[in-house]
Amino acid sequence: GENVGLHLPTLSVQEGDNSIINCAYSNSASDYFIWYKQESGKGPQFIIDIRSNMDKRQGQRVTVLLNKTVKHLSLQIAATQPGDSAVYFCAEILFTGANSKLTFGKGITLSVRP
Amino acid sequence: EAGVAQSPRYKIIEKRQSVAFWCNPISGHATLYWYQQILGQGPKLLIQFQNNGVVDDSQLPKDRFSAERLKGVDSTLKIQPAKLEDSAVYLCASSLLGGQGVGEQFFGPGTRLTVL
Repeated sequence: GENVGLHLPTLSVQEGDNSIINCAYSNSASDYFIWYKQESGKGPQFIIDIRSNMDKRQGQRVTVLLNKTVKHLSLQIAATQPGDSAVYFCAEILFTGANSKLTFGKGITLSVRP
Repeated sequence: EAGVAQSPRYKIIEKRQSVAFWCNPISGHATLYWYQQILGQGPKLLIQFQNNGVVDDSQLPKDRFSAERLKGVDSTLKIQPAKLEDSAVYLCASSLLGGQGVGEQFFGPGTRLTVL
């Protein structure tokens, strides 16, 4: 896989502000997309998903936008809280035959300033 | 509901030694995954089981890595012999659905392996 080195890109936001985390995915044939949150010392945790035939999906305080034309996915977090500080990964799912394959993208660190 | 359990949480070994990791998935989850997460990168799938059968092991370095899922429940991942580049967090995940039923994957806390 691609080596992104030890230092992830970091997004720093003020508590209470909205955050927008962006991701460029690689496979235009991907069927499904997921955003994961990973806190230090823990495994990734599901946040929200979106099918490839949709362009927007909303959850509680989070919204995912999908732009298939430019293969771009974004995660918007409203009223960012200190507990949102973590590494965020986008992931794409490709249906292959009778199976599905999940591929993670590069992570972005979100740092929330109190 | 109990989550995915993994042990040990940390392991330090010297290169050329062997190591094994254990995973207990969420009860009833048919599909189990092992991922390797190198520092600063996203997790990379090593192997996927559907019950006790292997669905995808295309990215598993089979000359040194092996995995099994006896009785379709617990799973072990083994590295023999370990190399320096195997230093990573090894994550286990499970999901209720498999195949093209896209079920949410639940991840365990991982085992952090350091190879000296």
